[in-house]
Parts: sequence; C-alpha cells; structure tokens
Amino acid sequence: AQSVTQLDSQVPVFEEAPVELRCNYSSSVSVYLFWYVQYPNQGLQLLLKYLSGSTLVKGINGFEAEFNKSQTSFHLRKPSVHISDTAEYFCAVSDLDKGGSEKLVFGKGTKLTVNP
Amino acid sequence: NAGVMQNPRHLVRRRGQEARLRCSPMKGHSHVYWYRQLPEEGLKFMVYLQKENIIDESGMPKERFSAEFPKEGPSILRIQQVVRGDSAAYFCASSPGPTHLHFGAGTRLSVL
Repeated sequence: AQSVTQLDSQVPVFEEAPVELRCNYSSSVSVYLFWYVQYPNQGLQLLLKYLSGSTLVKGINGFEAEFNKSQTSFHLRKPSVHISDTAEYFCAVSDLDKGGSEKLVFGKGTKLTVNP
Repeated sequence: NAGVMQNPRHLVRRRGQEARLRCSPMKGHSHVYWYRQLPEEGLKFMVYLQKENIIDESGMPKERFSAEFPKEGPSILRIQQVVRGDSAAYFCASSPGPTHLHFGAGTRLSVL
C-alpha cells in the first residue's frame, strides 16, 4: 500500500525567506504526485502535480517541486514566501488502480506560518 | 463554470441523528470522490462514484455510512445514527476522468 510522510507538521518562516516542505512516499510502482494547499476553512487547491517528464515541476503562486525517484521524495519549495502563503500544505500520491480511479493518499499536512 | 459545490458548509447533529451531505460536481464531471479529514489528520479516501455506480468504497466504514450519485441531482453522503467520532470535515471532489481532482470547500460536521 502506498503511504506519504510529511516530515514537518509545522514550519514557521519569516516573510521573504525561502522555504522547503518535505514529502516522502512509499510505493512499489510508478506514481503520480501532487501538492495541495488548504487555506483556513476552505477546500483544497491544487498547487502542482508530477505525472511524467521533467522532474522539476512548477506550480502556481511561485511554488515548485522536484521529483526524486531514488530518494522517493517530492519536496515543495518557494524561494521567497509571502504572508499570504500561510496555509496548510498536503502532499499526495495517486493510487491508480486497474479501474483507473484517482484515489489519492494524503500526508498529514504541514502548517506553514509566514511571519512578518 | 462553477466549482464543486458542497452543502451545507456546516452541519450540527446530535448523537443518533442522521447527516446528509450534498455534493454537486463541476459541469461535465462524471466522477465523484468523498474524503474525510479528521482533526490534525490528512484527508482519507472514502468512496469513488460514477453516475449511478459505486466504483470503489474501500474507505467507507462498514456500518452507518452510504453514498450515492444518482442519474439526476447531487451526490449524497449519508451517515446514519451519528456518533461523536463522526465529527470531521467531509470533502467532495470531482473530475472528468482519471485526471486531477477539483475539491469542494467541504462540509464540517459537528456531532454534539
């Protein structure tokens, strides 16, 4: 069974500092990987996804992530954060079964707090 | 094109009552997924439906929970005889096929 580990439950940073949110997954097959952001009392919004091709994936709001197959990681980065990036971030891996359903397995989330 | 619509946004029930959560997928989307988010946890898959069919219900509790996606109307997640442990945020997502999911804003269920 697939699983996702987000190593940091909380990450506090100062505004304009760089940030990296870590994500490791376990899977015996090729996977698709996703990062979602959840603002307070809202649903999840897709930041970026890796399906195939280039291992460096660029997403919305200046975020990017790098797929590293040998380390089974998909860390999320942003070179300079804003106060508005304060939210919870979820890493997810797809569990494409034979039926083709996109059943996502989520990590427990990382709360990013950007301080002035 | 409106996004995935869930209602109600907040639902309060007393133990033993029934909870009905509704989800209207995005226009043109025929795949619906339900996820549950417990406090301090990530989302957990519950069920995957297409019109009039349950495709995968491997994440659904064996008792009290059911889901449907009728030919007409929204998808419904129904919880009978709610208990305090059912308190959570329930998210619906839709997709046009096996591509990335579009999530609704969720229904936050509180059981008193």
